[in-house]
Amino acid sequence: SQQGEEDPQALSIQEGENATMNCSYKTSINNLQWYRQNSGRGLVHLILIRSNEREKHSGRLRVTLDTSKKSSSLLITASRAADTASYFCATRRTGRRALTFGSGTRLQVQP
Amino acid sequence: DAGVIQSPRHEVTEMGQEVTLRCKPISGHDYLFWYRQTMMRGLELLIYFNNNVPIDDSGMPEDRFSAKMPNASFSTLKIQPSEPRDSAVYFCASRTGTESPLLPGELFFGEGSRLTVL
Repeated sequence: SQQGEEDPQALSIQEGENATMNCSYKTSINNLQWYRQNSGRGLVHLILIRSNEREKHSGRLRVTLDTSKKSSSLLITASRAADTASYFCATRRTGRRALTFGSGTRLQVQP
Repeated sequence: DAGVIQSPRHEVTEMGQEVTLRCKPISGHDYLFWYRQTMMRGLELLIYFNNNVPIDDSGMPEDRFSAKMPNASFSTLKIQPSEPRDSAVYFCASRTGTESPLLPGELFFGEGSRLTVL
């Protein structure tokens, strides 16, 4: 199975609601990153959290990391229709340069 | 900077034909990665380069796949001969080799090359 597994696979919410996506991984990591992908486009980096950090904020994004449970969550507050996209977590294993991506969560924000 | 540039954006070819995908990384980036995205397998790392040298090609599925980086501003991914199961979106990404609080090591992706092999 993949290093990162997101859940849910798909999420549909109303504009203004919060969206929470979770990611689990298997090995020790250097950092964990979240990316966004609009339909038909490339991935865009959103936020990075290092293995010694527990929580990080960036605008309407909040990321948490629990290394003991090997899991992370991405919270998007006050969602907008423009947040509709797929969201991927990516882990960088200790000692490696390449990122391993999870299977992604498809978020649909209804206006 | 224009970002990571990939070409072609779309390619439709017939089984057995040679396919060449191209990538121009962001200037000054030391690392270049090739990923493949499919519905069934998600995003898979195929190969990555550091300073134009292939570091890890363990993700290259078969000998039909080859990748080169002749200089710091150009890389190619070649499939010969192509097969229908190679149909996917191929992404190139680059990043700086230096890491710091201001340069945490994020990847910058191109828009991808959508390959369809009939």
